[in-house]
Amino acid sequence: SQQGEEDPQALSIQEGENATMNCSYKTSINNLQWYRQNSGRGLVHLILIRSNEREKHSGRLRVTLDTSKKSSSLLITASRAADTASYFCATGGGATNKLIFGTGTLLAVQP
Amino acid sequence: GAVVSQHPSRVICKSGTSVKIECRSLDFQATTMFWYRQFPKQSLMLMATSNEGSKATYEQGVEKDKFLINHASLTLSTLTVTSAHPEDSSFYICSARTGGSGTEAFFGQGTRLTVV
Repeated sequence: SQQGEEDPQALSIQEGENATMNCSYKTSINNLQWYRQNSGRGLVHLILIRSNEREKHSGRLRVTLDTSKKSSSLLITASRAADTASYFCATGGGATNKLIFGTGTLLAVQP
Repeated sequence: GAVVSQHPSRVICKSGTSVKIECRSLDFQATTMFWYRQFPKQSLMLMATSNEGSKATYEQGVEKDKFLINHASLTLSTLTVTSAHPEDSSFYICSARTGGSGTEAFFGQGTRLTVV
């Protein structure tokens, strides 16, 4: 099952620019997480934001969460070519502990 | 962070044969592991939740007789694709958490299955 939808589906920017990805979800959540995936590889956890938090920072990453709109955004500042990857939001919650992933954004950072 | 090891990373098999994929949590105990399937350029689709010592919980539309999951210990879950067909070719990824739903999930490196 898939809960979240992300936009844009693909994003191409120049090195040094900021990249913003958005995620919308459908049901109540306990937390929302962002992951990164390089082509053909496993996922790397970036950041977790709880449902009672509105904003969180980690290095060049900034995540916001608006539970009233059921949406989240991931901002990568001063992007680098090495940031090129797919980015997924994932929502967690409920007794089952399941993590359900969004559709993903493919980010390409041009050097 | 915690490490989840998935093996093999790539496997090619003939139609009709079965393939086993292992997922191990190397430095923590995982009472629950998750198995995902990913098609090219698509997101991860949850297949099933693997519970140590009990039967797996499958998502709607996933054939439990086709995708056998065994979680024999707190550090090992296996996914067996039985009687594989070319349409089973995909990228399979496992993950495990150190705690409840509010904790980070750690992912294996994934297994690229090709059925010829």
